[in-house]
Amino acid sequence: AQSVTQPDIHITVSEGASLELRCNYSYGATPYLFWYVQSPGQGLQLLLKYFSGDTLVQGIKGFEAEFKRSQSSFNLRKPSVHWSDAAEYFCAVAPSGGYNKLIFGAGTRLAVHP
Amino acid sequence: GAVVSQHPSRVICKSGTSVKIECRSLDFQATTMFWYRQFPKQSLMLMATSNEGSKATYEQGVEKDKFLINHASLTLSTLTVTSAHPEDSSFYICSAVTGLAGGSTDTQYFGPGTRLTVL
Repeated sequence: AQSVTQPDIHITVSEGASLELRCNYSYGATPYLFWYVQSPGQGLQLLLKYFSGDTLVQGIKGFEAEFKRSQSSFNLRKPSVHWSDAAEYFCAVAPSGGYNKLIFGAGTRLAVHP
Repeated sequence: GAVVSQHPSRVICKSGTSVKIECRSLDFQATTMFWYRQFPKQSLMLMATSNEGSKATYEQGVEKDKFLINHASLTLSTLTVTSAHPEDSSFYICSAVTGLAGGSTDTQYFGPGTRLTVL
Protein backbone atom coordinates (compact mmCIF):
# COMPACT_ATOMS: atom_id res chain seq x y z
CA ALA A 1 0.00 0.00 0.00
CA GLN A 2 1.07 3.54 -0.60
CA SER A 3 2.40 5.31 2.45
CA VAL A 4 4.38 8.31 3.54
CA THR A 5 6.63 8.32 6.58
CA GLN A 6 7.89 11.37 8.39
CA PRO A 7 10.19 9.91 11.05
CA ASP A 8 10.45 13.07 13.13
CA ILE A 9 7.31 14.03 14.99
CA HIS A 10 8.81 17.11 16.55
CA ILE A 11 11.96 19.09 15.76
CA THR A 12 13.38 22.12 17.51
CA VAL A 13 16.02 24.33 15.94
CA SER A 14 17.53 27.67 16.76
CA GLU A 15 16.74 30.65 14.61
CA GLY A 16 19.33 30.95 11.89
CA ALA A 17 20.22 27.28 11.99
CA SER A 18 19.77 24.98 9.02
CA LEU A 19 16.84 22.60 8.81
CA GLU A 20 16.15 19.24 7.23
CA LEU A 21 12.81 17.48 7.53
CA ARG A 22 12.76 13.88 6.43
CA CYS A 23 10.18 12.18 4.25
CA ASN A 24 10.16 8.65 2.89
CA TYR A 25 7.50 7.14 0.73
CA SER A 26 6.41 3.70 -0.31
CA TYR A 27 4.94 3.55 -3.77
CA GLY A 28 5.09 1.22 -6.74
CA ALA A 29 6.22 3.86 -9.18
CA THR A 30 7.65 7.34 -8.79
CA PRO A 31 4.79 9.39 -7.41
CA TYR A 32 4.28 13.09 -7.44
CA LEU A 33 5.71 14.55 -4.24
CA PHE A 34 4.67 17.57 -2.22
CA TRP A 35 5.52 19.48 0.92
CA TYR A 36 2.85 21.50 2.68
CA VAL A 37 3.01 23.76 5.72
CA GLN A 38 0.13 24.16 8.16
CA SER A 39 -0.05 27.15 10.47
CA PRO A 40 -2.78 27.62 13.10
CA GLY A 41 -5.87 29.20 11.65
CA GLN A 42 -4.60 28.88 8.10
CA GLY A 43 -5.07 26.31 5.42
CA LEU A 44 -2.26 24.08 4.28
CA GLN A 45 0.04 25.96 1.99
CA LEU A 46 2.03 24.31 -0.76
CA LEU A 47 5.76 24.85 -0.31
CA LEU A 48 6.96 22.91 -3.31
CA LYS A 49 6.27 19.93 -5.51
CA TYR A 50 8.12 17.44 -7.65
CA PHE A 51 6.71 15.84 -10.74
CA SER A 52 9.73 15.06 -12.87
CA GLY A 53 13.01 16.52 -14.08
CA ASP A 54 15.57 18.18 -11.83
CA THR A 55 15.55 16.32 -8.55
CA LEU A 56 16.35 19.46 -6.54
CA VAL A 57 13.21 21.52 -6.27
CA GLN A 58 13.01 25.11 -5.14
CA GLY A 59 9.95 26.30 -3.29
CA ILE A 60 8.58 29.33 -1.55
CA LYS A 61 9.91 30.91 1.62
CA GLY A 62 13.45 29.73 0.88
CA PHE A 63 12.67 26.02 1.10
CA GLU A 64 14.02 23.35 -1.19
CA ALA A 65 13.64 19.59 -1.40
CA GLU A 66 15.61 16.85 -3.05
CA PHE A 67 14.09 13.73 -4.56
CA LYS A 68 16.27 10.66 -4.19
CA ARG A 69 14.79 7.72 -6.01
CA SER A 70 17.27 5.21 -4.58
CA GLN A 71 16.26 6.14 -1.06
CA SER A 72 12.57 6.79 -1.77
CA SER A 73 13.04 10.09 -0.02
CA PHE A 74 12.00 13.70 -0.52
CA ASN A 75 13.61 15.66 2.29
CA LEU A 76 12.83 19.31 2.87
CA ARG A 77 15.64 21.74 3.63
CA LYS A 78 16.17 25.35 4.51
CA PRO A 79 19.61 26.87 5.08
CA SER A 80 18.56 29.39 7.71
CA VAL A 81 15.37 29.07 9.71
CA HIS A 82 13.30 32.07 10.75
CA TRP A 83 11.03 32.20 13.80
CA SER A 84 8.06 32.48 11.45
CA ASP A 85 8.84 29.03 10.06
CA ALA A 86 7.48 27.41 13.23
CA ALA A 87 4.56 25.30 12.01
CA GLU A 88 3.50 21.79 11.09
CA TYR A 89 5.01 20.39 7.92
CA PHE A 90 3.44 17.62 5.88
CA CYS A 91 4.95 15.54 3.14
CA ALA A 92 2.46 14.09 0.67
CA VAL A 93 2.39 11.90 -2.42
CA ALA A 94 -0.05 11.52 -5.26
CA PRO A 95 -0.18 8.91 -7.99
CA SER A 96 1.63 10.16 -11.06
CA GLY A 97 -0.65 10.48 -14.02
CA GLY A 98 -3.60 9.53 -11.94
CA TYR A 99 -6.32 11.25 -10.06
CA ASN A 100 -5.40 13.91 -7.54
CA LYS A 101 -5.54 11.95 -4.28
CA LEU A 102 -2.98 13.09 -1.78
CA ILE A 103 -1.62 10.72 0.83
CA PHE A 104 -0.11 12.61 3.72
CA GLY A 105 2.58 11.77 6.21
CA ALA A 106 1.92 12.23 9.91
CA GLY A 107 3.60 15.61 9.92
CA THR A 108 6.57 17.16 11.67
CA ARG A 109 6.06 19.96 14.11
CA LEU A 110 8.83 22.52 13.93
CA ALA A 111 9.65 24.75 16.87
CA VAL A 112 12.14 27.59 16.49
CA HIS A 113 14.11 28.92 19.44
CA PRO A 114 15.14 32.59 19.33
CA GLY B 1 -3.19 33.00 -5.01
CA ALA B 2 -6.33 30.90 -4.91
CA VAL B 3 -8.30 31.15 -1.67
CA VAL B 4 -10.54 28.55 -0.11
CA SER B 5 -12.74 29.40 2.84
CA GLN B 6 -14.61 27.22 5.27
CA HIS B 7 -17.56 28.04 7.45
CA PRO B 8 -17.90 27.74 10.32
CA SER B 9 -14.37 27.66 11.66
CA ARG B 10 -15.55 26.10 14.87
CA VAL B 11 -18.78 24.39 15.87
CA ILE B 12 -20.03 22.66 18.98
CA CYS B 13 -23.14 20.56 18.81
CA LYS B 14 -25.09 18.04 20.83
CA SER B 15 -24.95 14.36 20.10
CA GLY B 16 -27.57 13.31 17.59
CA THR B 17 -27.76 16.60 15.73
CA SER B 18 -26.53 17.30 12.22
CA VAL B 19 -23.90 19.83 11.30
CA LYS B 20 -23.21 21.36 7.90
CA ILE B 21 -19.78 22.65 6.92
CA GLU B 22 -19.31 24.81 3.85
CA CYS B 23 -16.27 24.97 1.64
CA ARG B 24 -16.00 27.79 -0.88
CA SER B 25 -13.47 28.64 -3.53
CA LEU B 26 -13.45 32.42 -3.44
CA ASP B 27 -11.65 33.44 -6.59
CA PHE B 28 -11.69 30.42 -8.82
CA GLN B 29 -13.98 27.68 -10.02
CA ALA B 30 -13.31 24.30 -8.51
CA THR B 31 -14.39 21.33 -10.52
CA THR B 32 -13.18 19.06 -7.77
CA MET B 33 -13.11 19.46 -4.03
CA PHE B 34 -11.76 17.10 -1.42
CA TRP B 35 -12.75 16.57 2.19
CA TYR B 36 -10.20 15.49 4.77
CA ARG B 37 -10.35 14.64 8.42
CA GLN B 38 -7.48 15.35 10.75
CA PHE B 39 -7.20 13.85 14.22
CA PRO B 40 -5.05 15.57 16.85
CA LYS B 41 -1.37 15.19 16.16
CA GLN B 42 -2.12 13.03 13.15
CA SER B 43 -2.14 13.39 9.44
CA LEU B 44 -4.95 14.33 7.10
CA MET B 45 -7.04 11.42 5.93
CA LEU B 46 -8.96 11.79 2.70
CA MET B 47 -12.65 11.16 3.27
CA ALA B 48 -14.17 11.83 -0.13
CA THR B 49 -13.77 13.47 -3.49
CA SER B 50 -16.50 15.81 -4.59
CA ASN B 51 -17.13 16.65 -8.23
CA GLU B 52 -19.50 19.41 -9.22
CA GLY B 53 -22.82 18.05 -10.34
CA SER B 54 -22.15 14.43 -9.51
CA LYS B 55 -22.10 12.13 -6.53
CA ALA B 56 -19.13 12.18 -4.25
CA THR B 57 -16.66 9.33 -4.21
CA TYR B 58 -15.96 8.10 -0.70
CA GLU B 59 -12.81 6.48 0.54
CA GLN B 60 -12.94 3.01 1.99
CA GLY B 61 -14.25 3.00 5.52
CA VAL B 62 -16.03 6.35 5.29
CA GLU B 63 -19.78 6.12 5.85
CA LYS B 64 -21.46 7.99 3.04
CA ASP B 65 -24.77 8.11 4.89
CA LYS B 66 -23.13 9.80 7.86
CA PHE B 67 -20.98 12.23 5.90
CA LEU B 68 -23.18 13.71 3.20
CA ILE B 69 -21.35 15.70 0.57
CA ASN B 70 -22.96 18.03 -1.91
CA HIS B 71 -21.13 19.95 -4.63
CA ALA B 72 -23.92 22.00 -6.12
CA SER B 73 -21.82 24.66 -7.78
CA LEU B 74 -18.30 25.26 -9.00
CA THR B 75 -17.52 27.31 -5.91
CA LEU B 76 -19.32 25.49 -3.11
CA SER B 77 -19.17 22.07 -1.55
CA THR B 78 -20.84 21.13 1.71
CA LEU B 79 -20.17 18.35 4.18
CA THR B 80 -23.02 17.42 6.50
CA VAL B 81 -22.24 15.26 9.48
CA THR B 82 -25.55 13.56 10.23
CA SER B 83 -26.54 12.37 13.69
CA ALA B 84 -23.19 13.43 15.03
CA HIS B 85 -21.63 11.58 17.94
CA PRO B 86 -18.60 12.39 20.08
CA GLU B 87 -16.39 10.13 17.96
CA ASP B 88 -17.10 12.41 15.01
CA SER B 89 -15.33 15.24 16.79
CA SER B 90 -12.41 16.20 14.62
CA PHE B 91 -10.86 18.82 12.39
CA TYR B 92 -12.40 18.77 8.93
CA ILE B 93 -10.49 20.31 6.06
CA CYS B 94 -11.52 20.84 2.47
CA SER B 95 -9.44 21.53 -0.56
CA ALA B 96 -10.17 22.53 -4.12
CA VAL B 97 -8.43 22.14 -7.43
CA THR B 98 -8.67 24.35 -10.45
CA GLY B 99 -7.76 21.81 -13.09
CA LEU B 100 -10.38 20.52 -15.41
CA ALA B 101 -9.31 16.91 -15.25
CA GLY B 102 -8.52 16.66 -11.57
CA GLY B 103 -5.14 15.19 -12.36
CA SER B 104 -2.33 14.83 -9.90
CA THR B 105 -0.53 17.87 -11.29
CA ASP B 106 -3.34 20.17 -10.20
CA THR B 107 -2.50 22.14 -7.11
CA GLN B 108 -4.85 21.62 -4.20
CA TYR B 109 -5.76 24.76 -2.31
CA PHE B 110 -6.78 24.10 1.25
CA GLY B 111 -9.31 25.74 3.48
CA PRO B 112 -8.42 26.69 7.06
CA GLY B 113 -10.44 23.84 8.52
CA THR B 114 -13.46 23.45 10.78
CA ARG B 115 -13.16 22.20 14.34
CA LEU B 116 -16.18 20.06 15.21
CA THR B 117 -16.86 19.16 18.81
CA VAL B 118 -19.77 16.87 19.57
CA LEU B 119 -20.90 16.83 23.18
